[in-house]
Amino acid sequence: DQQVKQNSPSLSVQEGRISILNCDYTNSMFDYFLWYKKYPAEGPTFLISISSIKDKNEDGRFTVFLNKSAKHLSLHIVPSQPGDSAVYFCAAYEAGAGSYQLTFGKGTKLSVIP
Amino acid sequence: EAQVTQNPRYLITVTGKKLTVTCSQNMNHEYMSWYRQDPGLGLRQIYYSMNVEVTDKGDVPEGYKVSRKEKRNFPLILESPSPNQTSLYFCASTTGTGGTDTQYFGPGTRLTVL
Repeated sequence: DQQVKQNSPSLSVQEGRISILNCDYTNSMFDYFLWYKKYPAEGPTFLISISSIKDKNEDGRFTVFLNKSAKHLSLHIVPSQPGDSAVYFCAAYEAGAGSYQLTFGKGTKLSVIP
Repeated sequence: EAQVTQNPRYLITVTGKKLTVTCSQNMNHEYMSWYRQDPGLGLRQIYYSMNVEVTDKGDVPEGYKVSRKEKRNFPLILESPSPNQTSLYFCASTTGTGGTDTQYFGPGTRLTVL
């Protein structure tokens, strides 16, 4: 049973426009959510996170929105740049349980077209 | 420079030949873990360690062993590799001091078992 779902395997966006990547989760015990970015031949790198006590977190061009009632989060990138082209993974865990066991989605490959 | 290193980066081996993938971090992190990434499946946790001499199974531990004799090192051992262990492996670490720590990933080890 997949607890974190990224239903769009790929997304293409024009440079300068907004990229919206979506993620759904089923485990109501998850209370901390992260987005990782991954380039080919590299390990995932942390991008932005959000705690379940918040509904929005911003960091420069990146904003993550959390809708707890819908068990849905999204990553907005504005404006999108060609360097943003990568695979984006949504991840979640039970921070309160202290396990640090991240559950990942399958990833969404973002292509930003110049 | 804070980093997680893995060796080797690429490895081709044959079924049944024992191998070890090393992982080392220089951030004095307590928590370390191993993930495998497979097409269409995202990243799945194999084993994790909360501290020295403390290890536990993740979601897909079958066929793997780990040890944590020192804080900085967390090797992944395949006693008798099989072709279904062909995958991309990532080691990760985090401070382990609070529920909202982000995990830092190594560059990955691409393993092929013939």
